[in-house]
Amino acid sequence: TQLLEQSPQFLSIQEGENLTVYCNSSSVFSSLQWYRQEPGEGPVLLVTVVTGGEVKKLKRLTFQFGDARKDSSLHITAAQPGDTGLYLCAGIPSYDKVIFGPGTSLSVIP
Amino acid sequence: DAGVIQSPRHEVTEMGQEVTLRCKPISGHNSLFWYRQTMMRGLELLIYFNNNVPIDDSGMPEDRFSAKMPNASFSTLKIQPSEPRDSAVYFCASSLRRRQETQYFGPGTRLLVL
Repeated sequence: TQLLEQSPQFLSIQEGENLTVYCNSSSVFSSLQWYRQEPGEGPVLLVTVVTGGEVKKLKRLTFQFGDARKDSSLHITAAQPGDTGLYLCAGIPSYDKVIFGPGTSLSVIP
Repeated sequence: DAGVIQSPRHEVTEMGQEVTLRCKPISGHNSLFWYRQTMMRGLELLIYFNNNVPIDDSGMPEDRFSAKMPNASFSTLKIQPSEPRDSAVYFCASSLRRRQETQYFGPGTRLLVL
């Protein structure tokens, strides 16, 4: 069974701090997605990483796909209250399959 | 363009009652998904339709749950009879072709079974 683990499960930080959340698996993925779910809403896709070692930046968010395509990280610089939400990673192991991780719940305190 | 539309947004019902959740996917999208989200179990895929045909229903909990997609613009998820453990947020999502592509989620239906 292919599983995705995310850590930490919960994170509460002060506005302006930096943070990194992780998505790990023992399986290889052809690509990996990160979604953010704001309170009371559905998840929204932030980014898709495809190549091992790939780094993508989205304003203050930096996404990295591991060289072996088994893991990924999301780094947020100078977190803001608007970053509060549930961050879900989703791995694509093969054609027409996707596996969601359990998520990291982030709370940024003003 | 309108996103994925779900109704109702909130539903409170009593144990044993039938519950029907509705979804209108984004026009032109060929794949539709029903998910259930709880604190304990996270986001779980219940069923995946492609071109109105159920492709993967391995996540449907039991016979009390059923889903239909009679046409490309409408799907329902029915629970009969409902139980308190069915309380959760139910999301509908759609994607252009296949499930590994960007999935666009609706706002969810918050179901409480008393």
